[in-house]
Amino acid sequence: DAKTTQPNSMESNEEEPVHLPCNHSTISGTDYIHWYRQLPSQGPEYVIHGLTSNVNNRMASLAIAEDRKSSTLILHRATLRDAAVYYCILLSIGTASKLTFGTGTRLQVTL
Amino acid sequence: SQTIHQWPATLVQPVGSPLSLECTVEGTSNPNLYWYRQAAGRGLQLLFYSVGIGQISSEVPQNLSASRPQDRQFILSSKKLLLSDSGFYLCAWTHKVIRYGYTFGSGTRLTVV
Repeated sequence: DAKTTQPNSMESNEEEPVHLPCNHSTISGTDYIHWYRQLPSQGPEYVIHGLTSNVNNRMASLAIAEDRKSSTLILHRATLRDAAVYYCILLSIGTASKLTFGTGTRLQVTL
Repeated sequence: SQTIHQWPATLVQPVGSPLSLECTVEGTSNPNLYWYRQAAGRGLQLLFYSVGIGQISSEVPQNLSASRPQDRQFILSSKKLLLSDSGFYLCAWTHKVIRYGYTFGSGTRLTVV
């Protein structure tokens, strides 16, 4: 499975935008880029996913590099409730797609 | 809308006792189902997945087994628990064609004493 590389931790001030980077230089043409987040003592929560084009939803935006070797999850206005571990995962679509979690980025949001 | 139920929320079991964790999905049919475990301070590890009734694939050899007796029911079991089985167990589901990603249950925190 293609791997992703994320910073271990990041900090942000509340109400400011947050850009969470992810490198995936060995991505294949059929790999989707998925982002999940895990709040303390909870199960992971789907955030967003994309293939080639940038994507927006109510939670975040996903910016995908033209060569697809990197992507950035954008939280437009961080709140204290966004403090979580964010995982960038490549998912090859098949009969039994398997989500493999790395160590993710721990986002701290301060007042 | 689709929902996933997982119970119990917490469980304390003695070493050597059996285990049965249940997960059910509502509002969809023929989902892919998954069991994950997260040991304290560690990452999420995929344990089992199932693409249909009676079809189970194991990712990690261990003291656990899984079964899917019905389309939307996924069960995680053990005949004899070990201390190392302690952790946060999560069930998840997804459509065959992934549209919105995986949906995870609220988890079971298992402590083996």
